[in-house]
Parts: sequence; structure tokens; C-alpha cells
Amino acid sequence: KNQVEQSPQSLIILEGKNCTLQCNYTVSPFSNLRWYKQDTGRGPVSLTIMTFSENTKSNGRYTATLDADTKQSSLHITASQLSDSASYICVVSPSTGGGNKLTFGTGTQLKVEL
Amino acid sequence: DGGITQSPKYLFRKEGQNVTLSCEQNLNHDAMYWYRQDPGQGLRLIYYSQIVNDFQKGDIAEGYSVSREKKESFPLTVTSAQKNPTAFYLCASSIPGSRDRGNYGYTFGSGTRLTVV
Repeated sequence: KNQVEQSPQSLIILEGKNCTLQCNYTVSPFSNLRWYKQDTGRGPVSLTIMTFSENTKSNGRYTATLDADTKQSSLHITASQLSDSASYICVVSPSTGGGNKLTFGTGTQLKVEL
Repeated sequence: DGGITQSPKYLFRKEGQNVTLSCEQNLNHDAMYWYRQDPGQGLRLIYYSQIVNDFQKGDIAEGYSVSREKKESFPLTVTSAQKNPTAFYLCASSIPGSRDRGNYGYTFGSGTRLTVV
């Protein structure tokens, strides 16, 4: 069964600090991995998308890494801001099937405090 | 601006009542999806549609129904057969994977929170 596991479940950091969120997956065969940011009560917004041939992708202060051999990904947030407080969801797509085959992680709830 | 619009933002359902959630997109996407989000769980697929006048059941279709009469619209009806409908519902759209090579154009709406009263 395809699974995506994220850790930690929740995280509290001080504004200006860096943090790293983890994603492990068992989806096979693998096509791409995405990180989404979801503010409370809103829909997810895409941060990065990586195919199996990419091992890093940046979007401003967000940098995602991918190790397709170990089936692990991380999302690094640099110089955190209060607006980074949200749930971060890892989503993996298999190489077979369409958008109906995405597997979603349960998310990491990040809170940035003063 | 192109996007995907869900309405209403909040919806209350009485026992035994059917309610319909609206989802409209102007992205010219062929594929549309409905997901349910519960606390502590990943998004679960309810129904999806790859083209107009065609739709398929997802992982948790029981108690739900959909229609796809127009490319832009994919409404979801939560029927009285759905025994635990309280959740956050998300609609999404994309170019089909066969053309998008990975669904890069996968866009979510802002969600509808449904509560049983």
C-alpha cells in the first residue's frame, strides 16, 4: 500500500529560526513529490515539485530535497516568519495513473512564535 | 485571474438533509477532484472527473454524488446516506496526467467546511 509519513507531527519555533520537516514515502513506481502549504481553513498551495531525477528545489525561503533511493524528502524553511505558521503537506504521485492516484501525508503543523 | 472557487465557505447540514457544495474553475482544466480532509488524516479522494459527462468513484465515495455537465463545474452532493459528513471539503483541478507529465497544474480551491447540526 502506498504511504506517505511526515514528521514531526507538530513543531513550534521562534521567528527567524530555521527548521526542517521530513517526509518518507513508500509509493512505487515514483513520479514526483510535492510540498504544499496549507493555512488554517484554506486550500493547500504548492511550494515545490520534484521529479525522481531532481534532488533539490527552492522557492524563496523554502528548499526541498529528495533522495529517491531512500524514499525520503525534506522541506527546509530558512529565517522563519510568523506567516509561515501553517500545515505543510507532502504529496507523492506514482508514475502510473493520473491525478486520482496522489498519496497525501497527514502534514506537519508548524507554529512560528515571537 | 484564473483559479478555482468553492462555495459556500461554511455549510451546516441537518440530519437527513442533502446538501450541495459548489466548485467552479476557470483554468480550462479537464480534470477535477473532490477530497475530504479530517483532523490527523491525509486528504482522501471522494470522486474525480477526467472529462465532461464522466466521473469515477474515489476511495470514499459512499454517501456522496457528483455531476460534471460543464467543464468548469463539478458540484458535490453530500447525501443523507453519509453518516459522518462533518469535515473540510476541498476541490481541485488539473490537466490530465497524460498531458501534464506529473500533474504540475494541480490547483486547490479554498475549501468548504461542512458541519452537521
